[in-house]
Amino acid sequence: GQNIDQPTEMTATEGAIVQINCTYQTSGFNGLFWYQQHAGEAPTFLSYNVLDGLEEKGRFSSFLSRSKGYSYLLLKELQMKDSASYLCAVRDRTDSWGKLQFGAGTQVVVTP
Amino acid sequence: GAGVSQSPSNKVTEKGKDVELRCDPISGHTALYWYRQSLGQGLEFLIYFQGNSAPDKSGLPSDRFSAERTGGSVSTLTIQRTQQEDSAVYLCASSLEGLAGQETQYFGPGTRLLVL
Repeated sequence: GQNIDQPTEMTATEGAIVQINCTYQTSGFNGLFWYQQHAGEAPTFLSYNVLDGLEEKGRFSSFLSRSKGYSYLLLKELQMKDSASYLCAVRDRTDSWGKLQFGAGTQVVVTP
Repeated sequence: GAGVSQSPSNKVTEKGKDVELRCDPISGHTALYWYRQSLGQGLEFLIYFQGNSAPDKSGLPSDRFSAERTGGSVSTLTIQRTQQEDSAVYLCASSLEGLAGQETQYFGPGTRLLVL
């Protein structure tokens, strides 16, 4: 199985940068996802990493180091609408293709 | 439809009763997933359907939980003899299934279940 750890909550100011770390342990790593979830709403896909390195998508970037079992999600030029929970999820090669294990999520609070 | 739909949006039931939760995936999506999210927690995988393959039921917490997918489309999650600890938001997701492995899971709005 997987152990997925991410901070419970982070606070940052509008316009700033926030980095959300995620560490994981797997029997056989096979992909890492980041999802955004606003309160009371369904999660929406942000990014996918399977190879080491940085994936950039506009204001959001995601980084992966497989050797360290580590990923981060970088949110730049924070906006009030970025206040949400950010979920890290991992696929393990020993599991079925569709099975993702999610972390508990990091609540990001953006202040004016 | 335009997205994943789930019904009912809210369900209040008494302990010991059975409940059925429905999920309509995005048309053309071959994979369907059920998750459970308790208050302040991450998503807990329950079950995964892919085409005609046997579903991955490894996340179902007890034999009171079961799920079906009829005709490769609509799915029903059934909880028998509900318990108070079953209270949670039940989320359904669907995706295309390919070889790349990065198929995005699109989530429905969820069913909020409260067991009294």
